[in-house]
Amino acid sequence: QSALTQPASVSGSPGQSITISCTGTSSDIGGYNYVSWYQQHPGKAPKLMIYDVSNRPSGVSNRFSGSKSGNTASLTISGLQAEDEADYYCNSYRSSSTLSVFGTGTKVTVL
Amino acid sequence: QISLKESGPTLVKPTQTLTLTCTFSGFSLSTNGVGVGWIRQPPGKALEWLALIYWDDDKRYSPSLKNRLTITKDTSKNQVVLTMTNMDPVDTATYYCAHRPRTTVTFDSWGQGTLVTVSS
Repeated sequence: QSALTQPASVSGSPGQSITISCTGTSSDIGGYNYVSWYQQHPGKAPKLMIYDVSNRPSGVSNRFSGSKSGNTASLTISGLQAEDEADYYCNSYRSSSTLSVFGTGTKVTVL
Repeated sequence: QISLKESGPTLVKPTQTLTLTCTFSGFSLSTNGVGVGWIRQPPGKALEWLALIYWDDDKRYSPSLKNRLTITKDTSKNQVVLTMTNMDPVDTATYYCAHRPRTTVTFDSWGQGTLVTVSS
């Protein structure tokens, strides 16, 4: 059950934009528009930020946006704020008995 | 408003069976398309999907843990139970249950998680 690949860390200054990548295969990210992104602060449960590649749940800031190209999905955070410092995980549907696979996680640091 | 909460032992011994209960409110597991999943996270590590049960009792498991996992539901009690056999120290993790909505393939609401330590 191989995980999706994310960079270990990404950093940016307040007000900047950053992008986190999530690389999979044609059996998951590339084959379906079922990519989600979760934000997790230390000691807290994950929070859904993006679903179906680019949709934001109610209440999530429009500074968060998602996209996909081929087998790679991306999460962009614009106007970076101190509160955005957290771990971020991508997740995708996978067409096998695996069904659901998470990414390796990315730590976002606000400088 | 959807709410989920995990409960179960905080400490289990190696080779024992772990039983976790997810008690939820704000939705019904008899509603077409709805599901409840289990996800775990070892300390300092990434999330790992474990199992999922749908409203129609369709069950899916992580292939790497399939032989050790059983997921069941009690719709009348609004509960989902996960059992994991033959526990090992590497299974030490925070275990989360989460709601899968009817309309898409994601986990939109999560419980607070429960830390399970496997140690003799």
